[in-house]
Amino acid sequence: DAGVIQSPRHEVTEMGQEVTLRCKPISGHDYLFWYRQTMMRGLELLIYFNNNVPIDDSGMPEDRFSAKMPNASFSTLKIQPSEPRDSAVYFCASSWATGYQPQHFGDGTRLSIL
Amino acid sequence: DAKTTQPPSMDCAEGRAANLPCNHSTISGNEYVYWYRQIHSQGPQYIIHGLKNNETNEMASLIITEDRKSSTLILPHATLRDTAVYYCIVSSAGGKLIFGQGTELSVKP
Repeated sequence: DAGVIQSPRHEVTEMGQEVTLRCKPISGHDYLFWYRQTMMRGLELLIYFNNNVPIDDSGMPEDRFSAKMPNASFSTLKIQPSEPRDSAVYFCASSWATGYQPQHFGDGTRLSIL
Repeated sequence: DAKTTQPPSMDCAEGRAANLPCNHSTISGNEYVYWYRQIHSQGPQYIIHGLKNNETNEMASLIITEDRKSSTLILPHATLRDTAVYYCIVSSAGGKLIFGQGTELSVKP
């Protein structure tokens, strides 16, 4: 079975540019999560969706960040405008809705803002 | 803030059992204990979870104390590929995981 698929794997762009990260969850999973990992702050939850609806976006750092889930098989995390401090590894994860189910993570997008 | 406390690092000899402790003294009755690990530059990988009974799967065993205030993850025969950061997480319904700093396990030949 295909796992969580993220693209691109690496992104290098200049400050001020718009960045779009993409995620395809595991088919049938009802929850989708976006995380950010840095050396200073570790692994942080940014936002999560249930059945394509955002449930908790309290981890989104500021208005420059936005996330959408237009359908059950696709989600995007957008940063506009990007800043050097946004450099991090961004992970997407998905899980089943029912019960206490584990999350399955993608391989991440390594983002560098110059 | 994470609700768990783990040692920052541990060493283990290859082929021996690795026992990773976790303290979660403020755990609530409806909260599970989850263990994930992260091998360098990869996404976190689910290992095991439990509520109050001990659990075992093909990867590891989870021992939870009777008062549920602490647990131990056991890798019965550690290999070099088990070198990773291991996260102990307490979570209730809704699937929101809060990762702490974890334990960096180094398996040495």
